Amino acid sequence: GAVVSQHPSRVICKSGTSVKIECRSLDFQATTMFWYRQFPKQSLMLMATSNEGSKATYEQGVEKDKFLINHASLTLSTLTVTSAHPEDSSFYICSALTDRNTEAFFGQGTRLTVV
Amino acid sequence: QKEVEQNSGPLSVPEGAIASLNCTYSDRVSQSFFWYRQYSGKSPELIMSIYSNGDKEDGRFTAQLNKASQYVSLLIRDSQPSDSATYLCAPRGAAGNKLTFGGGTRVLVKP
Repeated sequence: GAVVSQHPSRVICKSGTSVKIECRSLDFQATTMFWYRQFPKQSLMLMATSNEGSKATYEQGVEKDKFLINHASLTLSTLTVTSAHPEDSSFYICSALTDRNTEAFFGQGTRLTVV
Repeated sequence: QKEVEQNSGPLSVPEGAIASLNCTYSDRVSQSFFWYRQYSGKSPELIMSIYSNGDKEDGRFTAQLNKASQYVSLLIRDSQPSDSATYLCAPRGAAGNKLTFGGGTRVLVKP
């Protein structure tokens, strides 16, 4: 399958600081990428859809000013968690649609801990 | 009613047996269906995609789709302990290419 690389895999940050997570499609161009959050023992919750060259579409209840998404190229989308708080601690995962918009492949995920 | 329903499990199967996982969905216009496997603490991994009614086999996995019944299933033959994971069903709706995930079925394969 296609390869999606997400970085960093783990990050610990202080409350009030910002954290940037990168998601790259390594062997294909991804017009559309998705960002999910997953709390322990729960399923994936879609946060937003990231489209190259345009503004992200956020799901209901997700603060767009807190979770900044940039999709400046066909192989890179970034999620910045601004002014992070302990309740933002979670597993953040990106996925990218393949060129023909058929299958979606996931990055390795980023475990964020805010202390 | 949830958009995608799966039995949370755990589904306990002996090694070598067949694990049968079920999924129902509410969006009638869904055309693409995906099964992902997620190990604890890891991100989901795509294992099967199915687009047409009927069966699709890939190795030890068989996906079955019945759009009229809004039902998709996954069979794992000759189950191995390494198959122990949570299996997520994800139909894709008509708008925006978004996947809607079920809560997942946890499978435990016992040696």
